[in-house]
Amino acid sequence: DQQVKQNSPSLSVQEGRISILNCDYTNSMFDYFLWYKKYPAEGPTFLISISSIKDKNEDGRFTVFLNKSAKHLSLHIVPSQPGDSAVYFCAASVKAAGNKLTFGGGTRVLVKP
Amino acid sequence: DTAVSQTPKYLVTQMGNDKSIKCEQNLGHDTMYWYKQDSKKFLKIMFSYNNKELIINETVPNRFSPKSPDKAHLNLHINSLELGDSAVYFCASSQLSGKLFFGSGTQLSVL
Repeated sequence: DQQVKQNSPSLSVQEGRISILNCDYTNSMFDYFLWYKKYPAEGPTFLISISSIKDKNEDGRFTVFLNKSAKHLSLHIVPSQPGDSAVYFCAASVKAAGNKLTFGGGTRVLVKP
Repeated sequence: DTAVSQTPKYLVTQMGNDKSIKCEQNLGHDTMYWYKQDSKKFLKIMFSYNNKELIINETVPNRFSPKSPDKAHLNLHINSLELGDSAVYFCASSQLSGKLFFGSGTQLSVL
């Protein structure tokens, strides 16, 4: 039973344009959401997070939006750069239950120069 | 300096063997984890230790035994390896409720 889903396995975008990655979750107890980026043969690295008390968090080119009523979050990358080509994982947790992250299946992003 | 390091990076072994994967973190974190990335690329938590105490233990066969000699180390021992154990295993660390820092993974292939 996948509690966190990333329905787009891949995304191709032109350099300089916006990349939008989507993530849906089913567990209404999740109150903390994160995005991780992963290059081949490396571990995931933290990108950005958002608490359920917010609906938007921005860090440079990266913005995460949270729509709790729809149980949906998205990651916007503007402008996209070739170095952003990687697999992006959405993750969620219940903070009071310890730091147990539930991951989505990932979206592979290819930014074309 | 690598923050979370795990060895070996690649592990190829026969069914039925026993093997260990080592993990060390130099971030001063209290909590360490083992995650498994299966063939469908999902990352799933296996274990979590806080200050050498087991705090998360997902439904994992008891052939898998984590060992934490101190809070900077969390090793994973696997007995009687099976074909289905083939996966990439990631170690990670964090402060108790902070973001996770992952190692680069150990690709285990059971033949």
